[in-house]
Amino acid sequence: AQTVTQSQPEMSVQEAETVTLSCTYDTSESDYYLFWYKQPPSRQMILVIRQEAYKQQNATENRFSVNFQKAAKSFSLKISDSQLGDAAMYFCAATQGGSEKLVFGKGTKLTVNP
Amino acid sequence: ETGVTQSPTHLIKTRGQQVTLRCSSQSGHNTVSWYQQALGQGPQFIFQYYREEENGRGNFPPRFSGLQFPNYSSELNVNALELDDSALYLCASSMDTKRWREQYFGPGTRLTVT
Repeated sequence: AQTVTQSQPEMSVQEAETVTLSCTYDTSESDYYLFWYKQPPSRQMILVIRQEAYKQQNATENRFSVNFQKAAKSFSLKISDSQLGDAAMYFCAATQGGSEKLVFGKGTKLTVNP
Repeated sequence: ETGVTQSPTHLIKTRGQQVTLRCSSQSGHNTVSWYQQALGQGPQFIFQYYREEENGRGNFPPRFSGLQFPNYSSELNVNALELDDSALYLCASSMDTKRWREQYFGPGTRLTVT
């Protein structure tokens, strides 16, 4: 079965600084998709960034970028110029099978200090 | 275009009772997935519905059942509630079951079983 592991239960960063959240996954599939979701206290799961496994180029979305290492099955999220509004739980997720079933990690709680 | 909505926001049930949670998918979406998120954990896939048919199921017992209606809204039913069913229940809708489509999540229903 596919697994997603986030080894950092909590991280903190100073406002305007850069932070990297780690994620590793295990899959036997050749074609899959990886995601980072943000879940603020409001509970709404918000898509931050998506990476297709067949693309070598790392995805970027404004201040958010990923470091996708397919051979190492690693998918880390870098947040640049951290803002107070970035404080939330961050979940790494991967697709499984031919459906849109997502397998999630346990999450990393990010605190942004002013 | 409206987003994914869920009702109710919160509810409290007693062990052994039955509960129905509702989800209205985003306009134009024909696929709904349900996830259970226990406190401090990542979401876990319960099942997915595509055009009113179940299209995949996670490791949940048969007392978790669902429905999808012609307008693609969906219900999650849980019978014989147990204390461990206390969780945040998220639904997510998507355009179709194609692997590369991201899901849009609703705000969730917080279920407490006493």
